[in-house]
Amino acid sequence: SQTIHQWPATLVQPVGSPLSLECTVEGTSNPNLYWYRQAAGRGLQLLFYSVGIGQISSEVPQNLSASRPQDRQFILSSKKLLLSDSGFYLCAWRGVVGTWAEKLFFGSGTQLSVL
Amino acid sequence: QQPVQSPQAVILREGEDAVINCSSSKALYSVHWYRQKHGEAPVFLMILLKGGEQKGHEKISASFNEKKQQSSLYLTASQLSYSGTYFCGSSYAGGTSYGKLTFGQGTILTVHP
Repeated sequence: SQTIHQWPATLVQPVGSPLSLECTVEGTSNPNLYWYRQAAGRGLQLLFYSVGIGQISSEVPQNLSASRPQDRQFILSSKKLLLSDSGFYLCAWRGVVGTWAEKLFFGSGTQLSVL
Repeated sequence: QQPVQSPQAVILREGEDAVINCSSSKALYSVHWYRQKHGEAPVFLMILLKGGEQKGHEKISASFNEKKQQSSLYLTASQLSYSGTYFCGSSYAGGTSYGKLTFGQGTILTVHP
């Protein structure tokens, strides 16, 4: 069966420090992968998505970047964190429900606090 | 463009019913409903494709009105476990979506004993 791993679960970083969040998927190949961010009390905002190795699409301009060095690995990075980067970061992959419908499977999330 | 959910918050007593709406200004291809508990990842409830179909999950059901570009989530005889934030996620007709979902701002549902 397919599983998605995301780490770390919690992270406290000072302003100006770098960031690296990692997400890996098991049990599937060539998945579409996504990074979402959720600010406190807010909805889910799509940050990046990837349809294959080295292919990254950005949805919103920001202080973050994403990379996909391997088929089932998706990394979210920043060179210098801002206070506004705080939030709950969720990695997701697109899987099949039933015979044809698709849904997003989310990782457990990373709560990032930038101080 | 983000779908709009209403209401923003709902407070219920156990056993009461609630309806959460999700509206879009763009032509919808599908609507997904998720529930999120505080500090946890969203959990998939159901997906609806254009065609006005209605689906159910225990005492939770949903409909999709393609003409109105709107989906509604119906929670019947609510239980304490229904508490959480409900999100609709939409994908749009036309173009290449790559499975991207655009989520509404969420509806906070609180069920009291």
